[in-house]
Amino acid sequence: GAVVSQHPSRVICKSGTSVKIECRSLDFQATTMFWYRQFPKQSLMLMATSNEGSKATYEQGVEKDKFLINHASLTLSTLTVTSAHPEDSSFYICSAAGTETYEQYFGPGTRLTVT
Amino acid sequence: GIQVEQSPPDLILQEGANSTLRCNFSDSVNNLQWFHQNPWGQLINLFYIPSGTKQNGRLSATTVATERYSLLYISSSQTTDSGVYFCAVVLGGYQKVTFGTGTKLQVIP
Repeated sequence: GAVVSQHPSRVICKSGTSVKIECRSLDFQATTMFWYRQFPKQSLMLMATSNEGSKATYEQGVEKDKFLINHASLTLSTLTVTSAHPEDSSFYICSAAGTETYEQYFGPGTRLTVT
Repeated sequence: GIQVEQSPPDLILQEGANSTLRCNFSDSVNNLQWFHQNPWGQLINLFYIPSGTKQNGRLSATTVATERYSLLYISSSQTTDSGVYFCAVVLGGYQKVTFGTGTKLQVIP
């Protein structure tokens, strides 16, 4: 199956700093990637849809100025958490969709802790 | 938006037992996938099953799209099956995925 990687897998940062998370599709091209957030013991919530070469589409309630998404190529999307606060601590997961089906392939996730 | 409900929310099994997990969704979907989230958070693709029945070893899944539900069967459960199982759907005409509420499975020796 298709492989999606994320980097870093775990990051700890201080309040007020920014953190960038990378999501890469390793063996296929992804015109669309998705970013999710998962709080402990909860399901995954879609944050935004990232389209290659255009602006991301954010879900209701997600601050686009706080969660900056860039999809500069067909294999890379980045999520930058700006001016992070402790409440931004969470598990962030990206996914990429195949071009022929709606099947989604997920990255291993990034655990962000803001102190 | 579409509602995706899973049942049961929690399940404890003795090793070797069989179980059925259910996913109900409120609208027509183009895609349905089952995932197992391991203790480290990784989502493992189990099935891509918008309709019909598929089997993979001890696991099988059935989706009845017209009745808006899917079932995941786990036979001869093992402790390594523990974790959270999610179904996720894609609405017709979109690629956006909506996750279900999840079933937390614990298999005890």
